Amino acid sequence: GENVEQHPSTLSVQEGDSAVIKCTYSDSASNYFPWYKQELGKRPQLIIDIRSNVGEKKDQRIAVTLNKTAKHFSLHITETQPEDSAVYFCAASTNDMRFGAGTRLTVKP
Amino acid sequence: DSGVTQTPKHLITATGQRVTLRCSPRSGDLSVYWYQQSLDQGLQFLIQYYNGEERAKGNILERFSAQQFPDLHSELNLSSLELGDSALYFCASSAYPDREGEAFFGQGTRLTVV
Repeated sequence: GENVEQHPSTLSVQEGDSAVIKCTYSDSASNYFPWYKQELGKRPQLIIDIRSNVGEKKDQRIAVTLNKTAKHFSLHITETQPEDSAVYFCAASTNDMRFGAGTRLTVKP
Repeated sequence: DSGVTQTPKHLITATGQRVTLRCSPRSGDLSVYWYQQSLDQGLQFLIQYYNGEERAKGNILERFSAQQFPDLHSELNLSSLELGDSALYFCASSAYPDREGEAFFGQGTRLTVV
């Protein structure tokens, strides 16, 4: 099955800085790549996604890039705010959806 | 509210026991996924059902089983429980294959085995 690796496992940035989280996947058939944000004690919630026919997608301060040749995709958060602090998960999907191990992002005021 | 309902929210049980976790997907979603999240860990994929049939299987123990019923709700059965089974169990649903991916999560069932 699909194997998704996510780096870094923890990330600490100063408010206003950018944060980048990177993921790689193994199954070239994967064609859907969502990112989820999970706040403490809550369920994961979709924040942005990208499909394999698109190289980049942006939604306000959040952007995702996909390199299908290299099988990696990244989440970029600009102008970080303390409320961005959470655990972020990437995932790759064909039939099933496999998640990376997560990145704990801390934004310091 | 994601539209995915999981019951119960909390469950405390003893080792060796059996429990059933229930998930009602969003209206119209045919796919249901089950995930296990241990303390400060990632989301471990257990199993996926699509329209009543098993679609994909992940790292699901033999002591665990699941099914999806004709009304599309799903149940995850955990038996011979061990302390290490204590975790947050999430169900997610999606409209796959109509809109591949886009899984929406329930609030989870927190299982504590004592």
